[in-house]
Amino acid sequence: GENVEQHPSTLSVQEGDSAVIKCTYSDSASNYFPWYKQELGKGPQLIIDIRSNVGEKKDQRIAVTLNKTAKHFSLHITETQPEDSAVYFCAATYSSASKIIFGSGTRLSIRP
Amino acid sequence: DGGITQSPKYLFRKEGQNVTLSCEQNLNHDAMYWYRQDPGQGLRLIYYSQIVNDFQKGDIAEGYSVSREKKESFPLTVTSAQKNPTAFYLCASSILAGSLEQYFGPGTRLTVT
Repeated sequence: GENVEQHPSTLSVQEGDSAVIKCTYSDSASNYFPWYKQELGKGPQLIIDIRSNVGEKKDQRIAVTLNKTAKHFSLHITETQPEDSAVYFCAATYSSASKIIFGSGTRLSIRP
Repeated sequence: DGGITQSPKYLFRKEGQNVTLSCEQNLNHDAMYWYRQDPGQGLRLIYYSQIVNDFQKGDIAEGYSVSREKKESFPLTVTSAQKNPTAFYLCASSILAGSLEQYFGPGTRLTVT
């Protein structure tokens, strides 16, 4: 079955700098890769996703890249702000799958 | 407001008692899911339901039970057979079974002592 590994588990960056979180997946059939942001005590919120027919997707300060050959995908946050502090989860699945496989999460802290 | 609601936000129980967690959605989504989240770990799937009156076990179903009598409701019962029930429980839904985008509720933190 699918396995998703996420690194690093914790990340601290200076406000205004960039943050990068990386994930790898094992099932070559996976074709959908969402990223979720979870604030303390709340449920995860979908912030961006990418499908296997594209290599990169941007939404303001957030971007995701996908390397299907290497089975890697990454989340990039530029010009980080205090409100970016949260736990971020990557995930992988494929069309018609009954479930999504999540990474173990990255706790991102933004230093003022 | 459309969305997923979970109640209560915090729940305390004594060991040996069954407890039921509520999940309601008014998004008209067909599929609903229950996840368990432990500190420092990702989300693990407990049960999921693709249509009313049907549900399947996820990766960690032992000690849990569910029902799906109505489209908008998917309650989870944590039974006394669950060895480590203290956790953060998240409910999610998606438009269709097999739909890729899942939307999460705010979660219920269950503490069993």
